[in-house]
Amino acid sequence: KQEVTQIPAALSVPEGENLVLNCSFTDSAIYNLQWFRQDPGKGLTSLLLIQSSQREQTSGRLNASLDKSSGRSTLYIAASQPGDSATYLCAGAQGADGLTFGKGTHLIIQP
Amino acid sequence: DGGITQSPKYLFRKEGQNVTLSCEQNLNHDAMYWYRQDPGQGLRLIYYSQIVNDFQKGDIAEGYSVSREKKESFPLTVTSAQKNPTAFYLCASSGQVVGTEAFFGQGTRLTVV
Repeated sequence: KQEVTQIPAALSVPEGENLVLNCSFTDSAIYNLQWFRQDPGKGLTSLLLIQSSQREQTSGRLNASLDKSSGRSTLYIAASQPGDSATYLCAGAQGADGLTFGKGTHLIIQP
Repeated sequence: DGGITQSPKYLFRKEGQNVTLSCEQNLNHDAMYWYRQDPGQGLRLIYYSQIVNDFQKGDIAEGYSVSREKKESFPLTVTSAQKNPTAFYLCASSGQVVGTEAFFGQGTRLTVV
């Protein structure tokens, strides 16, 4: 059974720093890897989707990479802003039965 | 605007009651999902449906039931058999092709009083 781990569980950095969030998965047979953002008490907002055939995806200040062979994905956030403060979740799709999620990284950007 | 609408945002249930959470989508997606989120845990799959009139149990289906009579709607009933129903419930949808992007609603917070 797929297991997804996110490190670190929490991270606090000053505004303006570049940072990397890590996601690892135990079964490399995934169709895609998706990164989400969740604000307190809210639903999930999709940030980036990387298909299994892709190595990375970019959206604005966000860049996500995928290395299936090592079972790892990273989310890179450039020039962090206080508005980036949220919980970031990664999830892998292995079939039609939905996504397997990590527990998330709680990110705080200090003004 | 296309999206997923969950209602209500907050729901309170007395012991022994059944309650139904609504999920509606206008994205023309075939697949819909229900997840449960508890503090300190990842999202866990309750039920999913790939097509109208068909659905399958996820990892934690006990104490829950669903129906899929319309493509747009996938309501979740939390029955009295669910021993610990207090949680944040999230509905999602995606295209039928495996690996397409999943989109989520804003969630329903259920509290047992």
